[in-house]
Amino acid sequence: KQEVTQIPAALSVPEGENLVLNCSFTDSAIYNLQWFRQDPGKGLTSLLLIQSSQREQTSGRLNASLDKSSGRSTLYIAASQPGDSATYLCAVNFGNEKLTFGTGTRLTIIP
Amino acid sequence: SAVISQKPSRDICQRGTSLTIQCQVDSQVTMMFWYRQQPGQSLTLIATANQGSEATYESGFVIDKFPISRPNLTFSTLTVSNMSPEDSSIYLCSVDSVGNEKLFFGSGTQLSVL
Repeated sequence: KQEVTQIPAALSVPEGENLVLNCSFTDSAIYNLQWFRQDPGKGLTSLLLIQSSQREQTSGRLNASLDKSSGRSTLYIAASQPGDSATYLCAVNFGNEKLTFGTGTRLTIIP
Repeated sequence: SAVISQKPSRDICQRGTSLTIQCQVDSQVTMMFWYRQQPGQSLTLIATANQGSEATYESGFVIDKFPISRPNLTFSTLTVSNMSPEDSSIYLCSVDSVGNEKLFFGSGTQLSVL
């Protein structure tokens, strides 16, 4: 069964620190992986998309990496800000045109 | 990127009634999807809305409970029928972006069933 796991479920970090969010998946034969941000009661905002052939993608203070052989992706956030507080979701396309979502990591940046 | 308008943003409904959620996109898209996010859970795909044909439902979801319309390439509706408190969730419309494969989401509909 193709599954996506995100640990921890919640994380609190002081403002200004760098942090890493983790995502693991059970099947290394992925098509692509996407990181999303979700604010409370809202929809999802796409942050970064990594294709199967890529190892990382960067956008501003965000950097996402992909290691298919180990079934892992990380989202690195540099110099965290209170506005980064949200739930971060990892979603994997296993090649069947559908996304399988992790349960998310709820991030709180402490001012 | 696609701009998606989803209505209503939230509703409180009585058991046994139905609610229709609308999703409007500012450009023509091939694939439109409907997701459910139950409290404290991640997203689960309900169905793929196909233009000009019946929607394709995922395991555990049926047309009688979640009828979907897709009259053109920019619009879709999801109806939650004969609601029960277990249907209380956020319902999300999403579309894929031709060319870069990113998935874009509407702002969601927060449904509470009493």
